[in-house]
Amino acid sequence: EVVLTQSPGTLSLSPGERATLSCRASQTVSSSYLAWYQQKPGQAPRLLISGASNRATGIPDRFSGSGSGTDFTLTISRLEPEDFAVYYCQQYSSSPRMYTFGQGTKLEIK
Amino acid sequence: QLQLQESGPGLVKPSETLSLTCIVSDGSSPYYWVWSRQPPGKGLEWIGSIHHSGNTYYNPSLKSRVTISVGPPKNQFSLRLSSVTAADTAVYYCARLGVPYYYMDVWGKGTTVTVSS
Repeated sequence: EVVLTQSPGTLSLSPGERATLSCRASQTVSSSYLAWYQQKPGQAPRLLISGASNRATGIPDRFSGSGSGTDFTLTISRLEPEDFAVYYCQQYSSSPRMYTFGQGTKLEIK
Repeated sequence: QLQLQESGPGLVKPSETLSLTCIVSDGSSPYYWVWSRQPPGKGLEWIGSIHHSGNTYYNPSLKSRVTISVGPPKNQFSLRLSSVTAADTAVYYCARLGVPYYYMDVWGKGTTVTVSS
């Protein structure tokens, strides 16, 4: 089973700053199989990025994803107040077919 | 716009079976559908997936206790989790797998299930 480890656990930044969130896999993951989600308190997760770098419909271009192999990154270029939330990476494995999530990074206002 | 809505009992006794239903506003689409959960204050866990046709695959760690089925009617799919314990207390979400089925692109709002006597 592929284990995803996200870092840091908590990231404290101010609006306007740049956020860099990391997701490391225990074994190689196809870029096609890597996604990122945003979750605000009391809400369901929202898809941000699929295929490691493809923004979902309606996602602002300040969100970008990159990476390959075992190291993936979500970057928020200039933080808006509404961006403070928990972010999860998720991967798909084809054998056996299953999905696993990282433990999450909490992005909080400094 | 596609919408998903979870429903079911909010309280289940230990050792009993948790049963939830997800209603899909456009149930005619041939997609894969997913159940996931999130224990209080913790991260997300995928439970299992089902295709419109009935094909299923489950999280190996839960497989012995999980059944996911479609309908009737076709715009609903259900989760059954047997022999529950307090560790199964969580918010349960249904979601759609976006093509090509590597990620979850539409989510329900979630429903809280507490396991307690």
